[in-house]
Amino acid sequence: DTGVSQDPRHKITKRGQNVTFRCDPISEHNRLYWYRQTLGQGPEFLTYFQNEAQLEKSRLLSDRFSAERPKGSFSTLEIQRTEQGDSAMYLCASSSTEGSNQPQHFGDGTRLSIL
Amino acid sequence: QQPVQSPQAVILREGEDAVINCSSSKALYSVHWYRQKHGEAPVFLMILLKGGEQKGHEKISASFNEKKQQSSLYLTASQLSYSGTYFCGTESASNSGYALNFGKGTSLLVTP
Repeated sequence: DTGVSQDPRHKITKRGQNVTFRCDPISEHNRLYWYRQTLGQGPEFLTYFQNEAQLEKSRLLSDRFSAERPKGSFSTLEIQRTEQGDSAMYLCASSSTEGSNQPQHFGDGTRLSIL
Repeated sequence: QQPVQSPQAVILREGEDAVINCSSSKALYSVHWYRQKHGEAPVFLMILLKGGEQKGHEKISASFNEKKQQSSLYLTASQLSYSGTYFCGTESASNSGYALNFGKGTSLLVTP
């Protein structure tokens, strides 16, 4: 069990630029989630996939955000035309579908800073 | 709607006990507890399910009152390693699929 891996760990970019983050879930997990966390807050749900299907998107996920999981393995989260308010920690989590109510295992996150 | 956690922060001496509470205005299917240390990923502690089942892998106990939609996490004989921010995440009919709705967290500091 190598855990959930996220890349990069940190990203600093200028306002208006596009950024893309990658998440590699635990290999046997077919559910994958993206959350955003700001200082002093708990993680906020953005979107989730079961295999390659994106089944739900939060209203927090504006048109500038897009997520993919093309082969049901790794996932990417892209933010276009970044804004100051996008500065946050972006967390990825994965879980199994065997049985019900399986725990979500989180990666270390990608910290995004918008200059 | 975000669950409410209390207290916001607590400071303990090593060996003391603490209780962290999580309450929701929604009917809950389950409550998930995580601990996060600064700059690290949230780490799964426990799931409490409607009907009383618990799933966890650490020596931590918790309860889930389905009538009140409240959960409590019990940390006994605290150790320095227990320091961190504790989050409850709730799953209810109004959630998006299997997504969790997290509280703002309870900061716990255990001192020698």
